[in-house]
Amino acid sequence: QSVLTQPPSVSAAPGQKVTISCSGSSSNIGNNYVSWYQQVPGTAPKLLIYENNKRPSGIPDRFSGSKSGTSATLGITGLQTGDEADYYCVTWHSSHWVFGGGTKLTVL
Amino acid sequence: EVQVLESGGGLVQPGGSLRLSCEASGLTFRNYAMSWVRQAPGKGPEWVSALTDSGGTYYADSVKGRFSISRDDWKNTLYLQMNSLRAEDTALYYCTKGPSSDAFHIWGQGTMVTVSS
Repeated sequence: QSVLTQPPSVSAAPGQKVTISCSGSSSNIGNNYVSWYQQVPGTAPKLLIYENNKRPSGIPDRFSGSKSGTSATLGITGLQTGDEADYYCVTWHSSHWVFGGGTKLTVL
Repeated sequence: EVQVLESGGGLVQPGGSLRLSCEASGLTFRNYAMSWVRQAPGKGPEWVSALTDSGGTYYADSVKGRFSISRDDWKNTLYLQMNSLRAEDTALYYCTKGPSSDAFHIWGQGTMVTVSS
């Protein structure tokens, strides 16, 4: 059981917007950066967001991140079928890096 | 282009040892922290160990005392020595560039470790 809580699944139609939450505590999210990763089945995770809201080069601005208090949120607009994947949040907690349990995004 | 390539995985009996390697290219290797992250079949990723550019080491509680991370900056290679392996160590092991700004920026394709008799 992770110290970071994510919804197991979310879904939305193509072209729509979806948000994925990551809930933690003052011991992790509340005082540290959050990063987000996309993992398409059968492939390695890919960094989408770092330092709460920054995108690496090559990541489209359809992906956004935010943090408030002890929670973080990943937003995806203009959903595409290629966005179907598992999404994970990561942060620092008690001298370790921890992953959230993951959220499976289905694009209906 | 920065790339990392893992090797060294395989089938090992419980209690056995294995050493994973990760060769990096496209970067000044000695300037960056590097990490190992694993993913058991059907599960989410789990951070295993990190080695900073200054030589600091970090381990997950589940592997502390059994795994050892090291690097050879001349060979641009990161290692993970895994001893006293258990069935629960069975996973795909990824090498990553990072953490940098608390994020893992580049990932390899992974090398599979199976612990079974």
